[in-house]
Amino acid sequence: GDSVTQMEGPVTLSEEAFLTINCTYTATGYPSLFWYVQYPGEGLQLLLKATKADDKGSNKGFEATYRKETTSFHLEKGSVQVSDSAVYFCALSVLNSGGSNYKLTFGKGTLLTVNP
Amino acid sequence: GAVVSQHPSWVICKSGTSVKIECRSLDFQATTMFWYRQFPKQSLMLMATSNEGSKATYEQGVEKDKFLINHASLTLSTLTVTSAHPEDSSFYICSARRQGIETQYFGPGTRLLVL
Repeated sequence: GDSVTQMEGPVTLSEEAFLTINCTYTATGYPSLFWYVQYPGEGLQLLLKATKADDKGSNKGFEATYRKETTSFHLEKGSVQVSDSAVYFCALSVLNSGGSNYKLTFGKGTLLTVNP
Repeated sequence: GAVVSQHPSWVICKSGTSVKIECRSLDFQATTMFWYRQFPKQSLMLMATSNEGSKATYEQGVEKDKFLINHASLTLSTLTVTSAHPEDSSFYICSARRQGIETQYFGPGTRLLVL
């Protein structure tokens, strides 16, 4: 079945440090890939996405490139801020077996804490 | 655009009572809505998928008689937790998507505590 594996946290960085959160996937079809962010006590917000190989998603300084050859979608940011502290979820979306709907499969989430 | 709201944001109820949670797409028509459950410090578990005007499709292991889902319009889906028990305490999150668009937009979540 479809699955997403992302690096387990927690990850603790100092402000302005470089961030990488690894994400790899397995999928029977040709998935779209997403990163969602969840701030404390809130729901999920779409951070970025990529729908085909070699696409780069970017938003708010975060980037991730869809690598089909390595089945990866690693999240990066060159200089993190305290306000980036949150849980980050990698996810993939494929059509369900009936072909009628898309289904999201999430990784377990990575808690990022950025200290001033 | 693509804002999803949930109401209430948190609810405390007594064991044995039923609780209804609403999920609304505020600025788009959601042909499909999803209900997830999230345990502390864990990922989201898909409970069910609902298409407007039809019965919800439940994931394996989710009791459809306990978690009643109604998607009566293109902007509203409801989840009713019937005869709630303390083990039903959790964070419930809905999401919605437009027809033909696979991206899901999430609501802010509803925290349920059953005493």
